Amino acid sequence: EAQVTQNPRYLITVTGKKLTVTCSQNMNHEYMSWYRQDPGLGLRQIYYSMNVEVTDKGDVPEGYKVSRKEKRNFPLILESPSPNQTSLYFCASSLDGSNSPLHFGNGTRLTVT
Amino acid sequence: AQSVTQPDIHITVSEGASLELRCNYSYGATPYLFWYVQSPGQGLQLLLKYFSGDTLVQGIKGFEAEFKRSQSSFNLRKPSVHWSDAAEYFCAVGRAGGTSYGKLTFGQGTILTVHP
Repeated sequence: EAQVTQNPRYLITVTGKKLTVTCSQNMNHEYMSWYRQDPGLGLRQIYYSMNVEVTDKGDVPEGYKVSRKEKRNFPLILESPSPNQTSLYFCASSLDGSNSPLHFGNGTRLTVT
Repeated sequence: AQSVTQPDIHITVSEGASLELRCNYSYGATPYLFWYVQSPGQGLQLLLKYFSGDTLVQGIKGFEAEFKRSQSSFNLRKPSVHWSDAAEYFCAVGRAGGTSYGKLTFGQGTILTVHP
């Protein structure tokens, strides 16, 4: 089954403790992206990757890192999480860019205390 | 910079009634426009998209949207709403010029409630 898989679905952590949210897709898509969803703000793009080893900032990249060492995986790294990063995070992929239909994961709800 | 505004945070309609969700965008050139739907606890699913050509586009689940350049709008419509349409709807804008592009800007979302 074609899908984007994020793990974990739920995560509670404390301020400053490094964490990684994994994202994997099995559709051989070139493009992958991370979004955060907050009430009243919709989805805001954090980072995106057009291909392996190619990443770029979205609208809200501060406090986040990503890497794209292989096509299928695009982990989101929070080196020193803070409470304002409490949010619902979505990974998405598409064939070749944001203008192709995006396939979304089911989300990761992160709480930073 | 590109931006999207969905003026209605929450809309309630009765089952069988018609629906229109508003979307206004700001972009310096011809945009690529999208509507996505999010069911509770799920990721987003593409309903329809506009790239060029006919300004009235048809999507899945009986939805359509009309691109009006003069009004910078891309409103989503459905003639008869079903209870299963209850969800959150997001309008999004990307940059025209080909599929190889990374930045996509979403609106704030409109929550649709359907009364029986």
